[in-house]
Amino acid sequence: EVQLVESGGGLVQPGGSLRLSCAASGFTFSSYWMHWVRQAPGKGLVWVSRINSDGSSTSYADSVKGRFTISRDNAKNTLYLQMNSLRAEDTAVYYCARDRGYGDYAFDIWGQGTMVTVSS
Amino acid sequence: SYVLTQPPSVSVAPGKTARITCGGNNIGSKSVHWYQQKPGQAPVLVVYDDSDRPSGIPERFSGSNSGNTATLTISRVEAGDEADYYCQVWDSISDHFNWVFGGGTKLTVL
Repeated sequence: EVQLVESGGGLVQPGGSLRLSCAASGFTFSSYWMHWVRQAPGKGLVWVSRINSDGSSTSYADSVKGRFTISRDNAKNTLYLQMNSLRAEDTAVYYCARDRGYGDYAFDIWGQGTMVTVSS
Repeated sequence: SYVLTQPPSVSVAPGKTARITCGGNNIGSKSVHWYQQKPGQAPVLVVYDDSDRPSGIPERFSGSNSGNTATLTISRVEAGDEADYYCQVWDSISDHFNWVFGGGTKLTVL
């Protein structure tokens, strides 16, 4: 079964750091671009970051550029999001998602999400 | 940056047809994807590349895209279709890639 499972969320103080993980299974992880998408409570979906299949290229939303770092370990089939200098507005459910891989840039597989709360 | 505009809500009676729009500048030149999200659940891709359906998605879900508006059409609406629906496109300016979502539309089945 194709599956993505996020972990690492929790409560963190403003200015703090957190690292999210996303474990992939059921498909050849190293062949796909991967993304992080977040959703603040009661709000819509917002794309956060993307990494290509071998980790050599990344992209970020302006709101997180310079604070968040996306990475991957293809040997461990795991995607990461290192979040530094966290702000209250980063509070959200963070989803990892697989890029469909056909050049249309759709997200065809999603994890269940992990909640990040930034609060003192 | 590129902006996608969706109506906040759409209501439809069971068995009728729901149409959810997604507006954007010359969106007809882009590939539009649609996601369904039920409360407390992750989004699910229901239409990709304007009008294609992933395996397992009912034929009742269809899409179109032209000019400045893309549309998700749900025929013979069922109670289980009640959810939030999001459109999404990929945009690039120079070397900057950006994946853009619409604000979402809450579909209510009356």
